[in-house]
Amino acid sequence: AQSVTQPDIHITVSEGASLELRCNYSYGATPYLFWYVQSPGQGLQLLLKYFSGDTLVQGIKGFEAEFKRSQSSFNLRKPSVHWSDAAEYFCAVAHTGGFKTIFGAGTRLFVKA
Amino acid sequence: GAGVSQSPRYKVAKRGQDVALRCDPISGHVSLFWYQQALGQGPEFLTYFQNEAQLDKSGLPSDRFFAERPEGSVSTLKIQRTQQEDSAVYLCASSLWASGGVSYNEQFFGPGTRLTVL
Repeated sequence: AQSVTQPDIHITVSEGASLELRCNYSYGATPYLFWYVQSPGQGLQLLLKYFSGDTLVQGIKGFEAEFKRSQSSFNLRKPSVHWSDAAEYFCAVAHTGGFKTIFGAGTRLFVKA
Repeated sequence: GAGVSQSPRYKVAKRGQDVALRCDPISGHVSLFWYQQALGQGPEFLTYFQNEAQLDKSGLPSDRFFAERPEGSVSTLKIQRTQQEDSAVYLCASSLWASGGVSYNEQFFGPGTRLTVL
């Protein structure tokens, strides 16, 4: 069965520091992979997605993620975190066509001044 | 509208009451999805529509949950005889649909309806 694991329930980083959020997936074939961000009271917003090709994908708000097939990972990174990045981040995997997306449990990011 | 809207934003129900949650997708979006997000968890798939056809309802947790989209636009998620374990945020998402081939259509999410069952 497909699954997504986000090992870190919460992470705290200082403003201006780099960030890496971990994501591991279990899927029979090359999946569609996503990172979403959810701010309090807001809907989920897509940060970036990977379908095929270049394994390093760029997203909005300065985020990037790298697909590593050998490690079944799709970690999210940002070189310099801003206070406004504090939110919940979800990694997700989907079937062809983006139907029936499976989400991880999320990682809550706290940013300290 | 510009995005997916959901109403009500908050709903408090007494155990045993029936509730109806509404989703207005982005105009022209063919596909519509419902997810349930329990506190501290990621969203979990409930059901999926393509136009008015409900193509997958495998995620509905019990027969107390029912979703419809009679005209292929607005959708309603109904929960009968609510239980405390139904307390969650219910998210709706919509996407364009492309026929044929391998393609992806981004899902756009609404703000959710927070249901609290007392």
